[in-house]
Amino acid sequence: GAVVSQHPSRVICKSGTSVKIECRSLDFQATTMFWYRQFPKKSLMLMATSNEGSKATYEQGVEKDKFLINHASLTLSTLTVTSAHPEDSSFYICSARAPGLQLGSYNEQFFGPGTRLTVL
Amino acid sequence: AQSVTQLDSQVPVFEEAPVELRCNYSSSVSVYLFWYVQYPNQGLQLLLKYLSGSTLVKGINGFEAEFNKSQTSFHLRKPSVHISDTAEYFCAVSEPGPNAGNNRKLIWGLGTSLAVNP
Repeated sequence: GAVVSQHPSRVICKSGTSVKIECRSLDFQATTMFWYRQFPKKSLMLMATSNEGSKATYEQGVEKDKFLINHASLTLSTLTVTSAHPEDSSFYICSARAPGLQLGSYNEQFFGPGTRLTVL
Repeated sequence: AQSVTQLDSQVPVFEEAPVELRCNYSSSVSVYLFWYVQYPNQGLQLLLKYLSGSTLVKGINGFEAEFNKSQTSFHLRKPSVHISDTAEYFCAVSEPGPNAGNNRKLIWGLGTSLAVNP
């Protein structure tokens, strides 16, 4: 099946530092990747949609200068949380769309295992 | 605008009992429907999906769901749960059609926490 990995799985950093999270599609090429944020006991909040080779599309209310997304290849997207603060502590999940695994106009999303960010 | 409502935030159940997790959606067009499971500190795994065809959809781990268009519901069921089914369950909806292409988003419910007790 289609596998998506995230690295690191957990990261603890000091306030004011920047943290990079990687999302990789291991056995397929993903033209589109999505970044989500999940608060405790809450649903997933879509942060941005990332297409390979173009700028990410951010959801309303998400600061694009704070959450930098780079999708430089068909198998890798990165999310950088710049100048992290304690309120940025959260579970970040990426997903990747596999255009080859398609039924009609539907392309399934495959999810990474998530990254737990704790900002002290 | 589309929305997804999971009517129960928490569902406690005893092992080997049946369970139903409820999901209702609102949309002015036909939709694709999904149930995902999230085990503690893990990402999401697709349980099952409805795209078209038979309204009764069977998924992994013995789960099934029934699409009811008139009631705009997609409730998840399992006839006999195990301790290992303890997890967070999310219902999601997506609009079909060519316009959104690969950028088509999933709209998520708030999740239902299933706790299976011995």
